[in-house]
Amino acid sequence: SQQGEEDPQALSIQEGENATMNCSYKTSINNLQWYRQNSGRGLVHLILIRSNEREKHSGRLRVTLDTSKKSSSLLITASRAADTASYFCATDGDPSGSARQLTFGSGTQLTVLP
Amino acid sequence: GAVVSQHPSWVICKSGTSVKIECRSLDFQATTMFWYRQFPKQSLMLMATSNEGSKATYEQGVEKDKFLINHASLTLSTLTVTSAHPEDSSFYICSAPGDTDTQYFGPGTRLTVL
Repeated sequence: SQQGEEDPQALSIQEGENATMNCSYKTSINNLQWYRQNSGRGLVHLILIRSNEREKHSGRLRVTLDTSKKSSSLLITASRAADTASYFCATDGDPSGSARQLTFGSGTQLTVLP
Repeated sequence: GAVVSQHPSWVICKSGTSVKIECRSLDFQATTMFWYRQFPKQSLMLMATSNEGSKATYEQGVEKDKFLINHASLTLSTLTVTSAHPEDSSFYICSAPGDTDTQYFGPGTRLTVL
């Protein structure tokens, strides 16, 4: 499976600032998901946006999806030091929805400085 | 929420030995599970799809004879790394799809081959 691209690869901000991460993918999708991973740990599901949705909110998270550009963005508002982690987008592109395989982006390492 | 466990969480072995990693869905059944590999500072790469009652489906470039997958029951999939070598050292993560479009990820297993 091919990976999508995420940018930036690394992002360092001050606590309280907003962090924006972008993800581009290559094939048509059923949905796009964002995950968080602390160093050496498993993945934590953050939010899922379906292909017919354009924007979704969850707490301090805002996700947008532009299927015409095959891109998505994750915005974390009022960042905290505890938000420091790697963030990955993942696409579920199986047209039948039966395999449920995810293709992950390259990830963005976010560092929030206290 | 749904929980997926992995065992062991970390393992160190000598080159040439085999290592078995277990992935369990604790409170739901999973006819399909996915195995991913993640090298340091890289993204997750899908290795194979584990299917209960049938053979696993491997991604291109993944040796099925080296990475043996057995989906023994609706709650257990095992990945055995046979004749492990230092280049197999990695973080192995499994996932299982839930009732919705989300995936539930295990906490990962850190394999170090000396």
